[in-house]
Amino acid sequence: QVQLQESGPGLVKPSQTLSLTCTVSGGSISSGGYYWSWIRQHPGKGLEWIGYIYYSGSTYYNPSLKSRVTISVDTSKNQFSLKLSSVTAADTAVYYCAGYARRNWYFDLWGRGTLVTVSS
Amino acid sequence: EIVLTQSPGTLSLSPGERATLSCRASQSVSSSYLAWYQQKPGQAPRLLIYGASSRATGIPDRFSGSGSGTDFTLTISRLEPEDFAVYYCQQYGSSLMYTFGQGTKLEIK
Repeated sequence: QVQLQESGPGLVKPSQTLSLTCTVSGGSISSGGYYWSWIRQHPGKGLEWIGYIYYSGSTYYNPSLKSRVTISVDTSKNQFSLKLSSVTAADTAVYYCAGYARRNWYFDLWGRGTLVTVSS
Repeated sequence: EIVLTQSPGTLSLSPGERATLSCRASQSVSSSYLAWYQQKPGQAPRLLIYGASSRATGIPDRFSGSGSGTDFTLTISRLEPEDFAVYYCQQYGSSLMYTFGQGTKLEIK
C-alpha cells in the first residue's frame, strides 16, 4: 500500500522560501503509474491545488502560484519536493502531498499534511 | 479557470436522515473529471466518488454521486454518525488545472 509523508520546517520567515519534501513508500515513483501533486489548505478554508510532477520531471503549476513555485522529483530517494519562494502570511497553510493515477483525474493518495506557518 | 460552487455552506441533519449536497460548475465539466472528497478535522481528504458517480474502494453504498454538465450532487442516503464532516467537490479542466469547491459542512442537528 502506497503511503505519502510530508516533511519540512513548520515555520518560515516572510520573504524566504518554503521547502517541503514528500516521501513515497510502498511503491516506486519511477514506475510512472502516478502523477504527484502538492495541495494546500489555508486554516479553516478550502483546498488549493499547487501543481504536479511526473517521474520524468514534467510539471504543471497553478497559474496563480506559478511564478513562485518549483516542484521537483528525486527518483533515487523516491521523493518529490515543493519550493515556494517569497512567502507571506498568506502562504500559511496545511500542505498536503497527493497522487493520482495516470488517466485518472482524482487524488486517491494523500499524505497526512503538514502545517507551515509564515511568521517572523 | 472553472469555479465550483457548493451549496449549502452548512447542512444540519440528524443521523438516519438523507443528505443532498450540490456542486455547480461555472462551465461544463466532463463527468469523468468530477470527484467528491470527505474531510474530517485534522485529517487529509478522503476520496469518496470519482467520475461523478463511481464509489472509491471501501466507500459504503449509502454514498452516491450523480449529475452532469454543470450540476453535480452527492447524496448520503442514511446518515451515520461518522458521516458528519466537510465535503468537497473537485474537477479537472481543459486548462490542465484542478480546482475544488469551497466545501459543505455537514453537521449534526
